[in-house]
Order: sequence, then structure tokens, then C-alpha cells
Amino acid sequence: GAGVSQTPSNKVTEKGKYVELRCDPISGHTALYWYRQSLGQGPEFLIYFQGTGAADDSGLPNDRFFAVRPEGSVSTLKIQRTERGDSAVYLCASSLNQRETQYFGPGTRLLVL
Amino acid sequence: SQKIEQNSEALNIQEGKTATLTCNYTNYSPAYLQWYRQDPGRGPVFLLLIRENEKEKRKERLKVTFDTTLKQSLFHITASQPADSATYLCARLNTGGFKTIFGAGTRLFVKA
Repeated sequence: GAGVSQTPSNKVTEKGKYVELRCDPISGHTALYWYRQSLGQGPEFLIYFQGTGAADDSGLPNDRFFAVRPEGSVSTLKIQRTERGDSAVYLCASSLNQRETQYFGPGTRLLVL
Repeated sequence: SQKIEQNSEALNIQEGKTATLTCNYTNYSPAYLQWYRQDPGRGPVFLLLIRENEKEKRKERLKVTFDTTLKQSLFHITASQPADSATYLCARLNTGGFKTIFGAGTRLFVKA
């Protein structure tokens, strides 16, 4: 069956530009998570959605980062005025409900030049 | 703050031996500890979850322990194979059960 998919797989942008990263969770999964992973580090929690609402966005580093999930399925992570320090792999995961096993997508590799 | 600490040095072992990876946590005990496997260029894959009130959990060649006194979890792979070579991540979940805090992972190399 289809797993979590993320697009694009790679994104190169220039400092100051706006980017959108998309996550398609497993069908029927109500919980969706965004993480950021830098080289040699574990995934760092950014935000968690239960349905359409962001239940916890405490991991978003600053107000340049924003995420939406308008219909409770696909989610978009939006980064404004990108900085070189935003370069990382952005991972999305979904689970049937909170506290269930999280299934990760392959990630989007973002490089800010 | 709640942290997960894993040995940053890679672990090199011979095929057939048991690999043991360590995960230490700070602050209060999490409700759950999870172990994931991550291969280069891929997202983590869930392996095992152990609850605070469980001392040991097994799944095929994998075994996880949870010691709340030592604030430590050990992850064992018995009869290791070269295909087990990957990075293994430890993660904690608190009672709310959704905010997952990961360690940096330990790279395992199994030599044939």
C-alpha cells in the first residue's frame, strides 16, 4: 500500500526566498507530524496535527515557519525568507491516532544557498 | 529539559555477534521509549516500543530493555547480519504521546 509521500524530494533555493514542502500522509491517518533533521542528528519535532488543527506547534523555530492541513489530509510546511541555517531534511510522519506507530516519509532535502 | 543521549561513536561488530546500543534519558521517565532504524536517504522506520512499566520487550532478533533506575534503555540485535547496518534512533514520548524527542542515533556496521 501507499506510504507517506513528500514532494519535492529535493529543493534548492536562494536565501530570502519562500518555499513550500508537501506531505501526503497514509490515507485515514488523523495524526500528522513534521520534523527537521540536520546531518548527524536525530529528527527534531516541529509541529503535530490532529485532524485539521495544530495540536502542538511548539517546535517551530520562529514565525518564518508555518504549516497547514486544511482538510485533515495533505499538509504543507511553509518557510518564508529562507536562511542558510534552514538547510536540512524535512521529514513528515503520520499515524492512525496519537500514540500509534508513526510512519515516516522519505523527506525533502532543502538546500538554501 | 528532556534529552535523549546516544553514543555518537559508530559501533562495529562481526556478523553473528550481538549488537548492543545504549540510550540514556534525562529528567523524568518517559511514558514510552521507541527505537527506530534509519538508512541513508530514508526516513526512520519504527522497530519497537517499550512502556515505562515494562522491563523488556522482544521482537524476532530484537530485544529492548527499560531501566528507570539507570534512566537507560538498551537495544540488542542478536545474530547480527550485514543487512542490520544502519543508524538506530532512540526516542521518548511523554504521557501525551505525540511529541517525540529523538536522540542523535548510533551508526551500526556489521562486517561479514
